Amino acid sequence: GQNIDQPTEMTATEGAIVQINCTYQTSGFNGLFWYQQHAGEAPTFLSYNVLDGLEEKGRFSSFLSRSKGYSYLLLKELQMKDSASYLCAVREADGYALNFGKGTSLLVTP
Amino acid sequence: DVKVTQSSRYLVKRTGEKVFLECVQDMDHENMFWYRQDPGLGLRLIYFSYDVKMKEKGDIPEGYSVSREKKERFSLILESASTNQTSMYLCASSDTSNQETQYFGPGTRLLVL
Repeated sequence: GQNIDQPTEMTATEGAIVQINCTYQTSGFNGLFWYQQHAGEAPTFLSYNVLDGLEEKGRFSSFLSRSKGYSYLLLKELQMKDSASYLCAVREADGYALNFGKGTSLLVTP
Repeated sequence: DVKVTQSSRYLVKRTGEKVFLECVQDMDHENMFWYRQDPGLGLRLIYFSYDVKMKEKGDIPEGYSVSREKKERFSLILESASTNQTSMYLCASSDTSNQETQYFGPGTRLLVL
């Protein structure tokens, strides 16, 4: 099984940078995903990491350290529309399904 | 663009009713999933399927069954709905050749009275 931890809530200011952390414990590892979910909507895919290092995609970046069981999602130049829940999900080796953390609710304030 | 659709956005049923939630994807994905999402508990996997007529239990299969007769369609069945099955139900699909990234449908918010 897996244990995935991420902060419940975070607040940041428009235009700033915010880092959302995710730690996991797993018996096998085959990729880590970040999803964004606005209230009342479905999760949408943001990023995927399977090797150590940083993946950059526009204002969003995701980092992975497999030896530490640690990932973060970095959001730059925050906009009001970035207010949402951010879900960290891990796939085990030989697995099809994802195990999701409980999500981090990010509030961006003016 | 991947499109995953679900038969209803909102559904109200009575305790004991048999409930069918339908999910259809149009990208020829092999894998399909059903989750429920509850406040404070996050997304939890109910069942998934990696091929037609194949199904695997997820973390919380009790009280549910599934059917996958065609590749594009994955149905979730509540045999006898109970109030503790009031939840948001999310369907997803993924393609083995694309990192198996899961794409989600809009969700069905089910209320069992």
